[in-house]
Amino acid sequence: EPEVTQTPSHQVTQMGQEVILRCVPISNHLYFYWYRQILGQKVEFLVSFYNNEISEKSEIFDDQFSVERPDGSNFTLKIRSTKLEDSAMYFCASSRSPDNSPLHFGNGTRLTVT
Amino acid sequence: KNQVEQSPQSLIILEGKNCTLQCNYTVSPFSNLRWYKQDTGRGPVSLTIMTFSENTKSNGRYTATLDADTKQSSLHITASQLSDSASYICVVSWAEGGSYIPTFGRGTSLIVHP
Repeated sequence: EPEVTQTPSHQVTQMGQEVILRCVPISNHLYFYWYRQILGQKVEFLVSFYNNEISEKSEIFDDQFSVERPDGSNFTLKIRSTKLEDSAMYFCASSRSPDNSPLHFGNGTRLTVT
Repeated sequence: KNQVEQSPQSLIILEGKNCTLQCNYTVSPFSNLRWYKQDTGRGPVSLTIMTFSENTKSNGRYTATLDADTKQSSLHITASQLSDSASYICVVSWAEGGSYIPTFGRGTSLIVHP
């Protein structure tokens, strides 16, 4: 069964550095998402992306964050000037449609900011 | 404010027993309600999706119910197995201007003991 893949599985970075988290969504999906989960807390929505543009973003997704679909397969989340509080598990997800199709999640990238 | 509350926070049961997890929400306008299973260190996996008009939906040993009038949902697990040990997350989406915005509950941590 096709799946969403994320790389790297674990990323350690120093405060102030930029990181890029990568995702390969399921090939026939059109809607892409990033979520984050701080350790011990609930999953939080960051951003949704469709037709090469952001369709919705949460309050968390400020100017520090950006997303891009640089080619036909990859979907990236860039965090500029990381802060300690950015340490979390970041999940990518994709779906066929935005309303009643299942979201397929990747297994996440654990970001540790030191 | 849109909120999703889940109960209990954690639950321990013996293998083979049934259990029911609860989800109450204040999300409006309601679009759909999803239940996910999240194993430790993994991405959530979709169990069920229900729209406003659906009262119940089954997926193997998992049965979800929805009462849109009282804004309550439940997830019933029948004949539990050790592999059911996980966090179960209720996600309610609301629709605005063609976008569907998810609100996550904190999850119920289920432990199944042999």
